[in-house]
Amino acid sequence: DAKTTQPPSMDCAEGRAANLPCNHSTISGNEYVYWYRQIHSQGPQYIIHGLKNNETNEMASLIITEDRKSSTLILPHATLRDTAVYYCIVRPNYGGATNKLIFGTGTLLAVQP
Amino acid sequence: NAGVTQTPKFRILKIGQSMTLQCAQDMNHNYMYWYRQDPGMGLKLIYYSVGAGITDKGEVPNGYNVSRSTTEDFPLRLELAAPSQTSVYFCASSGQGYGYTFGSGTRLTVV
Repeated sequence: DAKTTQPPSMDCAEGRAANLPCNHSTISGNEYVYWYRQIHSQGPQYIIHGLKNNETNEMASLIITEDRKSSTLILPHATLRDTAVYYCIVRPNYGGATNKLIFGTGTLLAVQP
Repeated sequence: NAGVTQTPKFRILKIGQSMTLQCAQDMNHNYMYWYRQDPGMGLKLIYYSVGAGITDKGEVPNGYNVSRSTTEDFPLRLELAAPSQTSVYFCASSGQGYGYTFGSGTRLTVV
């Protein structure tokens, strides 16, 4: 079963920041938080991941609370092309049998013009 | 660099027919995965492989088989197609500890 909880849907105005929350209250010490998104009919796309420090890349920022029980994905200036389902996933960052992504139902982000 | 290539993109099968969905990656990734996605739902893991010659079941393996004879290829076999297998199938690969790369998917309809 997925170990995360996300709202089923969110709206955001174009050009504004989109803040997508994720709860992972049972996260283990060796588990990372991963974010993927899936634009309609396409394969999921990796966005960002982190362990306990905040992370930023060219796509987004990831803010993880100090107790690591929740996180927020931030798209700083949302565009219409960011409309997608966003998945928050926790898993260990090493290989072997546990190196697999288990998807939940995600959050449908609708960016409005 | 092609990444993960899936063929075919679309296929219609009759009940009871068999087919193989092809997946190839050129990134020398050890780990490969097959997922299915039903309409309006999240992805479900069918099978995965941690290296050539090693495969294991995921969440929904019934009705499917896989093999991994090379690092590059990870075909998914449907032996007796059923309407419940109508879905979009995604193959993915990953290196040690990092993000997955997904293919563009195969849309399968069983009638």
